[in-house]
Amino acid sequence: GENVEQHPSTLSVQEGDSAVIKCTYSDSASNYFPWYKQELGKGPQLIIDIRSNVGEKKDQRIAVTLNKTAKHFSLHITETQPEDSAVYFCAASSSGYSTLTFGKGTMLLVSP
Amino acid sequence: DAGITQSPRYKITETGRQVTLMCHQTWSHSYMFWYRQDLGHGLRLIYYSAAADITDKGEVPDGYVVSRSKTENFPLTLESATRSQTSVYFCASREGGSTGELFFGEGSRLTVL
Repeated sequence: GENVEQHPSTLSVQEGDSAVIKCTYSDSASNYFPWYKQELGKGPQLIIDIRSNVGEKKDQRIAVTLNKTAKHFSLHITETQPEDSAVYFCAASSSGYSTLTFGKGTMLLVSP
Repeated sequence: DAGITQSPRYKITETGRQVTLMCHQTWSHSYMFWYRQDLGHGLRLIYYSAAADITDKGEVPDGYVVSRSKTENFPLTLESATRSQTSVYFCASREGGSTGELFFGEGSRLTVL
């Protein structure tokens, strides 16, 4: 089955800095790569996703890049703010499967 | 309000007892999922359902039972709770297809003593 590795497990940045979280996946058939944000005491929420026919996608301060050859994808957050502090999960799935495989999560702490 | 709701939000039980966690969604989504979240393991899939009366195992199904007699409900039962099942459990739903946004509930924190 699919295996998703996520790094780092924790990340501390100063407000205004950029943050990058990286994930690798094992199944070359995977073609859908979402990112979820989990705030304290809440369920995860989708913040951005990318499909394998696209190399990069941006939404305001958030961007995701995908390298299918190397089987890795990354989340980039620019101009970080304290409200960006949360746990972020990457995930992968393929059109042949109904389920997502999640990475183990990255706790991002943005200090004012 | 429309959405996905879990109950109870917090539960303390003892080893060997049966526990049922409830999940209800108002969107008529086809797919529903149960995940457990543990430190160092992230989100692991327990069971999922593609439609009423259709369920399938995920990564960590042992010790759990699910049913889906109605589209909107997907209860998770621990038939004989063990300490290793102490966790935060998340229910999620998705409209359909093999990809697309998962909508998560707020979670149920279960402690097994």
